[in-house]
Amino acid sequence: QVQLKESGPGLVQPSQTLSLTCTVSGFSLTDYSVHWVRQPPGKGLEWMGRIQSGGSTDYNSALKSRLSISRDTSKSQVFLKMNSLQTEDTAIYFCTRGAYWGQGTLVTVSS
Amino acid sequence: DIVMTQGALPNPVPSGESASITCQSSKSLLHSNGKTYLNWYLQRPGQSPQFLIYWMSTRASGVSDRFSGSGSGTDFTLKISRVEAEDVGVYYCQQDLEFPLTFGSGTKLEIK
Repeated sequence: QVQLKESGPGLVQPSQTLSLTCTVSGFSLTDYSVHWVRQPPGKGLEWMGRIQSGGSTDYNSALKSRLSISRDTSKSQVFLKMNSLQTEDTAIYFCTRGAYWGQGTLVTVSS
Repeated sequence: DIVMTQGALPNPVPSGESASITCQSSKSLLHSNGKTYLNWYLQRPGQSPQFLIYWMSTRASGVSDRFSGSGSGTDFTLKISRVEAEDVGVYYCQQDLEFPLTFGSGTKLEIK
């Protein structure tokens, strides 16, 4: 069955770079887009960007200068990298295929 | 960016009653292909969002027929018939007509 699972550090220092991995199973990254969505504690959902089945990417313009999404199709993994993190980037980060979502991973930005 | 605005519910909603959640978009979500690119999600407490409705009115696989979506190009409604305890959570509308994809701020449903 379709599954997505996020992994990465729970704590990142301000001004550092966040690196997250989304490992998928039950489908091929060459057939479907995978998106990243984040949710600050107690707040709503923010779409961050996606990587298409063909490998091209689309980003939220508010994050575009700091965000990069890539993938390794052989490992069924999608990567998110975001630099210059600030406290307001503290959030649960989800990877999703629309109808299917990972459980999310909490990233706290703090010194 | 397309702004999605959601209405509030008169919480709590008595169990067994119906609840309607409204969502408005700042731009028509009706595509030239005839589809309206509006999705609905439910996020139960402590869980990931669950996909409920796509193309404004098509239920996702496995979703109860108590959930129904309707609307026009810019005004949308998610109706929940005979609300149950498992329906508690925050409902989000989302447009996927154009990038960046945007969500409404969410509507909380509580049951009495």
